[in-house]
Amino acid sequence: SQQGEEDPQALSIQEGENATMNCSYKTSINNLQWYRQNSGRGLVHLILIRSNEREKHSGRLRVTLDTSKKSSSLLITASRAADTASYFCATRNYNQGGKLIFGQGTELSVKP
Amino acid sequence: EAGVAQSPRYKIIEKRQSVAFWCNPISGHATLYWYQQILGQGPKLLIQFQNNGVVDDSQLPKDRFSAERLKGVDSTLKIQPAKLEDSAVYLCASSWPPQGQGGDGYTFGSGTRLTVV
Repeated sequence: SQQGEEDPQALSIQEGENATMNCSYKTSINNLQWYRQNSGRGLVHLILIRSNEREKHSGRLRVTLDTSKKSSSLLITASRAADTASYFCATRNYNQGGKLIFGQGTELSVKP
Repeated sequence: EAGVAQSPRYKIIEKRQSVAFWCNPISGHATLYWYQQILGQGPKLLIQFQNNGVVDDSQLPKDRFSAERLKGVDSTLKIQPAKLEDSAVYLCASSWPPQGQGGDGYTFGSGTRLTVV
C-alpha cells in the first residue's frame, strides 16, 4: 500500500518561478525523503528530513515537515527547465521494517 | 563505492512467458528490497530481505512472483507466468545498517524495464 498522497498530481510553471509540492502520510515516521525521477530514468535522492527536524535546505530546495499534521512540502526556488521530472516523497519507520514507502508523485513541468 | 547493480536493463516478453531479474546490492548491505513501479505511479514494495530471510512480502503476488536471496548477497526476482499488467520498472535497493538501528543509506539501482506484450 502507498503511504503518502502527493498534491498536486501535476504542476506546470514557467522557468524562474517557484514550485511547491505537498506530501501527506498516515503513520509515524523516523524520516521523510524526497526523490526525483526523470522520465524513464532511475530515482535520484534529493533530501532527507528527520522526524525531529522542521525545515531543511539544500541548494534551491527547501523541505518542511509537520509531524502533527503528518505532512511535508518541497519547495524548488527559481526553477529551471532541467527540473522537469516526477517528484516523490517517501517515508521510513525503523520500527516497521525500515522500508521506504512512496507516494504517487507530482509531475513537474518547467517551461522555458 | 559501487552502486546497486541490476540486470537486464530492458526486457520484452510475451504474456505467459517467464522472466527473471537480478540484483547485486552494495557490499555489506544487509537489507535488500524489490520494488515495482508502474508508469505514472510511485514505487511499490514487493519484498524485503534481511540477509537471506524475508522480512516483508505482503504485497508480492505469490501466485506468479517469487524472489530469493541466496547467501544473503545477490537476489533474483522471477515472474512466471507474466501478465500484461506486470509491465513496469522493477527497482532493487539495498540499505545498511540493519533495520531499526538508525542511519539511512538507502540506495537504488537503475531498474529493469519490463514490457509484456
